Amino acid sequence: DIQMTQSPSSLSASVGDRVTITCRASQGISSWLAWYQQIPGKAPKSLIFAASNLQSGVPSRFSGSGSGTDFTLTISSLQPEDFATYYCQQYNTYPFTFGPGTKVDI
Amino acid sequence: EVQLVESGGGLVQPGGSLRLSCAASGFTVSGYEMNWVRQAPGRGLEWVSHIHISGTTIYYADSVKGRFTVSRDNAKNSLYLQMNSLRVEDTAIYYCARGRGISHWGQGTLVTVSS
Repeated sequence: DIQMTQSPSSLSASVGDRVTITCRASQGISSWLAWYQQIPGKAPKSLIFAASNLQSGVPSRFSGSGSGTDFTLTISSLQPEDFATYYCQQYNTYPFTFGPGTKVDI
Repeated sequence: EVQLVESGGGLVQPGGSLRLSCAASGFTVSGYEMNWVRQAPGRGLEWVSHIHISGTTIYYADSVKGRFTVSRDNAKNSLYLQMNSLRVEDTAIYYCARGRGISHWGQGTLVTVSS
């Protein structure tokens, strides 16, 4: 199975900060990577597919990059509604696997 | 508007069975790959199963293989997850989700396995 790791596991930030979260796959997954946001008590929300493509309706302050094994999610200017946990997921090879999550709080 | 609504969760004893439903609207399930994803209390997301557009190619996580079965009813535009031989560790919120790289999620339904 492909193992997904994320760093950091948590971070503290302020409104307006630039935030970067890293996701690494244990083997190459091309660009078959997605990012999701989850606010406590809510269902996940899809942010990015195919490593760098924004889902419809997602603000442009979110961006994704990378291919192969190393990927990045960047929030250019953190907003109050962005405090949440972020997960990456590979969908190149079954079983599709999620990273452990990165919690972004104040 | 794309909507996914799960139902069928509840409290069940270890060894019991439960059938979850996912009613789709705003699109046809037969035209998309679909997933079940779960989240145990206080834990991260865990992929459970994926069904191809064909409806006949289905993959499962090792943790549920042989116990869970996914099916689809095109006429009802719905997806199902039949869960048998349930274990305490199957306790989770179960989400129905659309797409290979997931684009839409349901609100989830809670399954609690406890004696």
